Amino acid sequence: GQQLNQSPQSMFIQEGEDVSMNCTSSSIFNTWLWYKQDPGEGPVLLIALYKAGELTSNGRLTAQFGITRKDSFLNISASIPSDVGIYFCAGRSSNSNSGYALNFGKGTSLLVTP
Amino acid sequence: GAVVSQHPSRVICKSGTSVKIECRSLDFQATTMFWYRQFPKQSLMLMATSNEGSKATYEQGVEKDKFLINHASLTLSTLTVTSAHPEDSSFYICSAARTGGNYGYTFGSGTRLTVV
Repeated sequence: GQQLNQSPQSMFIQEGEDVSMNCTSSSIFNTWLWYKQDPGEGPVLLIALYKAGELTSNGRLTAQFGITRKDSFLNISASIPSDVGIYFCAGRSSNSNSGYALNFGKGTSLLVTP
Repeated sequence: GAVVSQHPSRVICKSGTSVKIECRSLDFQATTMFWYRQFPKQSLMLMATSNEGSKATYEQGVEKDKFLINHASLTLSTLTVTSAHPEDSSFYICSAARTGGNYGYTFGSGTRLTVV
């Protein structure tokens, strides 16, 4: 599958700070998803985006589906220690050879200090 | 809603033996399930797409005879790692999706396979 370019690779911030991470692709996607994965667990869906330009919030999290359909960002406001984990973006292309399968970014590791 | 149960969560097996991992959608019917493999500190890599009632579609480089996938019902897909070797040790994760409409993809909690 296609590999998405996710950045930054890691972030080390203080509690209360805002966080921003993004993903880009050379191909157009019709769905962008953001997941959080804790060690030894499967990814948990945070936000799903289905339309270009869509801006969606889930509590302190906000994500947007880029107008070009080739990028998405995730913002976390007022970070707290439990935000620690690895965040993955994932995209789905209607032209994917794998049908509905998702393509994942390499992940952003977030560390939050009290 | 949209809960996916994966079992077992951890398994240790001897080299040369086979291991079966189950993925169940508990509150919805999943015509399509996906199997991923994740090595430490790496992203999820798609292994195969499992469709109920038909043969799985494997990604390039994934041996279909080694990683047997069966999707016999709308709520259950199984992945069997045959003749496991230490290099098969990894974190295996399944995902289920309903077709049609806009649905997020729900993941199981993963299976940590260690081959000794």
